[in-house]
Amino acid sequence: DIQMTQSPSSLSASVGDRVTITCRASQTILSYLNWYQVKPGKAPNLLIYAASILQSGVPSRFSGSGSGTDFTLTISSLQPEDFATYFCQQSHSSPFTFGQGTRLEIK
Amino acid sequence: QVQLQESGPGLVKPSQTLSLTCTVSGGSISRGDYYWSWIRQPPGKGLEWIGHIYYTGSTFSNPSLKSRLTISVDTSKNQFSLKLISVTAADTAIYYCARYEEPAILDVWGKGTTVTVSS
Repeated sequence: DIQMTQSPSSLSASVGDRVTITCRASQTILSYLNWYQVKPGKAPNLLIYAASILQSGVPSRFSGSGSGTDFTLTISSLQPEDFATYFCQQSHSSPFTFGQGTRLEIK
Repeated sequence: QVQLQESGPGLVKPSQTLSLTCTVSGGSISRGDYYWSWIRQPPGKGLEWIGHIYYTGSTFSNPSLKSRLTISVDTSKNQFSLKLISVTAADTAIYYCARYEEPAILDVWGKGTTVTVSS
């Protein structure tokens, strides 16, 4: 299985901050990398697919980059509704594995 | 707008069978563009892909669960289901159903249902 490693595992930040989360794959996954936002009691939300394509309806402050094994999710200016847990997921080969998550907390 | 809703018991005894159903509304499960998936998140851990099914009944199961897992689809009810046998405390998790668009992009999710395995 392809292992996905996210860092950091948790992060404290303030409204308006720029935040970057990284995800590393144990082998190349080309651009088959997706990012999700998860909040307790709510349906997880697809933010970015194919490493850098913004899902319809997702605010433009979210962006993704990378290819091969190293990827980043950036939130350009944190908003109160962005405090959540973020997961990366590789869609290159099954089983489709996820990172362990990055919990973004209010400072 | 397609919506997914998980349903099933919140408490299962060890060694018994965990059964969940996902009801799809706002769109047909038989639409050939999509697969239908199950994902889970144990307490304090990351997400795990359980498996997925196409409306024809073709399935993929995570090898780590394959021997205990059955995923099925009922197109007449617009539902798909999961059965996991011989459960242990390690199967305690939030279970999500989701729509899967190639290549393995989970674009619509249910809110999840918490299943606890305990006597």
